[in-house]
Amino acid sequence: GAVVSQHPSWVICKSGTSVKIECRSLDFQATTMFWYRQFPKQSLMLMATSNEGSKATYEQGVEKDKFLINHASLTLSTLTVTSAHPEDSSFYICSPRGRGNTEAFFGQGTRLTVV
Amino acid sequence: GESVGLHLPTLSVQEGDNSIINCAYSNSASDYFIWYKQESGKGPQFIIDIRSNMDKRQGQRVTVLLNKTVKHLSLQIAATQPGDSAVYFCAESLYGGSQGNLIFGKGTKLSVKP
Repeated sequence: GAVVSQHPSWVICKSGTSVKIECRSLDFQATTMFWYRQFPKQSLMLMATSNEGSKATYEQGVEKDKFLINHASLTLSTLTVTSAHPEDSSFYICSPRGRGNTEAFFGQGTRLTVV
Repeated sequence: GESVGLHLPTLSVQEGDNSIINCAYSNSASDYFIWYKQESGKGPQFIIDIRSNMDKRQGQRVTVLLNKTVKHLSLQIAATQPGDSAVYFCAESLYGGSQGNLIFGKGTKLSVKP
């Protein structure tokens, strides 16, 4: 089956710093990338959707200047949390999608803790 | 039995028993549904899916039932094992099937007692 690699699996950073999360689709071309956020004991909530080579579309309440998404290639997308604050601490999960896939795949997730 | 916690409903079953996890989905126009299993600290893992033109689909030890009349989805796990302990989410897709955005339900935590 398809393989999705999300890195890092966990990160601790200081308030005010930026953190970059990478998501790679290893054996298919990800024409679309969904980024989700999951708080403890809650469900996955969509943050933004990006198509390769285009600007991302953000869900209501998600600040586009704070959560920078780059989807410059069909195998790599990045989410950068800028000027992180403790309330940004969460589990971030990517889900690349490609034409011809019959299943939605997810990354392993990144646990971000801002101290 | 089943209980509702602060955020996550919990279902506790004995090893070897059958488990039934329920989900109410939100949009009558959704045409594709998926059940995911999520273990602590990991991303969602695909279990089984079903399209809106079906009302039942079976996999290995799992069965998904879809009732479009009441917008209800259920996941049945036969002979539940300790390794089945996890949080289970249903997800619906309004368009694009498996390649569109998925809207996730609240999740149910399954605890299997040995």
